[in-house]
Amino acid sequence: DAGVIQSPRHEVTEMGQEVTLRCKPISGHDYLFWYRQTMMRGLELLIYFNNNVPIDDSGMPEDRFSAKMPNASFSTLKIQPSEPRDSAVYFCASSRTGTPNQPQHFGDGTRLSIL
Amino acid sequence: AQSVAQPEDQVNVAEGNPLTVKCTYSVSGNPYLFWYVQYPNRGLQFLLKYITGDNLVKGSYGFEAEFNKSQTSFHLKKPSALVSDSALYFCAENTGGFKTIFGAGTRLFVKA
Repeated sequence: DAGVIQSPRHEVTEMGQEVTLRCKPISGHDYLFWYRQTMMRGLELLIYFNNNVPIDDSGMPEDRFSAKMPNASFSTLKIQPSEPRDSAVYFCASSRTGTPNQPQHFGDGTRLSIL
Repeated sequence: AQSVAQPEDQVNVAEGNPLTVKCTYSVSGNPYLFWYVQYPNRGLQFLLKYITGDNLVKGSYGFEAEFNKSQTSFHLKKPSALVSDSALYFCAENTGGFKTIFGAGTRLFVKA
């Protein structure tokens, strides 16, 4: 089975540009999570969805960040405008519903560099 | 507030020796506890979980973890370390919602 697929794997762009990160969760998983990983702050949960509906976006750092999940097989995380401090590795993860004992399955991340 | 503590930033062990990566959790009640591993340029991979039952949980790649409720600990162990076990290890807990709290991570370095 295909795992969680993220694109692009690497993104380098200039400050002020719009950045869109994409994620395809595992088929049948109805929870989707977006994380950011940096050396300074570790792994941070940004937002998560259940059945395409955002449940908790308290980790989204600023209004410059937005996330959508238009259908069960696709989600985007958008940064507009981007800033150098947004440079990080962004992970998408998905899990099955039912009980909270289900592990999360992570994609291999998007390494974002804002110049 | 919920928290997961991994007291060691790095653990160094010689190949063939037993390894332990420490984790303590904060929640009362019955936590759901997990260990994940992250290799360079990859996402986190699930290793094992504790839900209920036997305090010794076995997982992937020969890893196991021991749940200790009185010490609120969930240490990751392996009887004989391999160089290929060198990676970043995360302990995590979930108390019943779907939001998982991750520790800061412990880098394991296995020397040949």
